[in-house]
Amino acid sequence: EAGVAQSPRYKIIEKRQSVAFWCNPISGHATLYWYQQILGQGPKLLIQFQNNGVVDDSQLPKDRFSAERLKGVDSTLKIQPAKLEDSAVYLCASSLGRQDRVAWEQYFGPGTRLTVT
Amino acid sequence: AQSVTQLDSHVSVSEGTPVLLRCNYSSSYSPSLFWYVQHPNKGLQLLLKYTSAATLVKGINGFEAEFKKSETSFHLTKPSAHMSDAAEYFCVVTLPNTGFQKLVFGTGTRLLVSP
Repeated sequence: EAGVAQSPRYKIIEKRQSVAFWCNPISGHATLYWYQQILGQGPKLLIQFQNNGVVDDSQLPKDRFSAERLKGVDSTLKIQPAKLEDSAVYLCASSLGRQDRVAWEQYFGPGTRLTVT
Repeated sequence: AQSVTQLDSHVSVSEGTPVLLRCNYSSSYSPSLFWYVQHPNKGLQLLLKYTSAATLVKGINGFEAEFKKSETSFHLTKPSAHMSDAAEYFCVVTLPNTGFQKLVFGTGTRLLVSP
C-alpha cells in the first residue's frame, strides 16, 4: 500500500514570506496529523484532523499557521508570514482513526524540511 | 503531565555489540509507550509498543523493550547491532483519553554504529 506522501521535500524561503506544504494520507485513513520537528527535538503535534474536522489545534500558532483538510483527504499546512524559528521539518501522519487499539498506529510521511533565512 | 526523558542524546556502538537506549517516563496513569525509529530523510517508523499487556515487548528488526513500572523505565535493547540500525530513536508516550491518538515524543537518541 502507498504510504503518506508529502511535498515539497525541501523549501528555502526568506522571513516574512509565505509557504505551503501538502500531505496525502494513506487511503482510508480518517485521522491526519501535522507535526513540527525542530532540529534536536522530537516531533510536536501542531494539529489533528478527524475526517475534515479539527480535533486538536491547541499547539498551532494560529496568528501565522493555518491548516485545512478539504473533503477529508488531502491536507495543506500554511505559514504566513514565516519567522526564522519556523525552520524545522514538518511531518504529516495518518491513522485509521477508530478508537480501538488496533487502529491507532500513526504512519508518517518523509517530511518537508523548511529553512527560513 | 505525561512525558518521556531519553537519557542519552547519542549512543555509539560497534557492529555486533549490544544496543541499549534508555527512556524514563513520567505519567499519572498507566501509560502506553512506544519506540519509533527515524532514518535520515525518511519518515518515522514504529518499532514496538507497550499497551499494558506483556511487560517485555518484541518489535521489528530484533529490537525489544521492557516496561518496568517500579523504575518508570522503558529501555530499548538489541543483542547485536547492525550498520543499518544507525538512526534516530524516539521514545513516545500517549496522553490519556485520546484513544492512543495523541503522542508525546522524547528528544531522541542518535545511534551510531561503527564497523
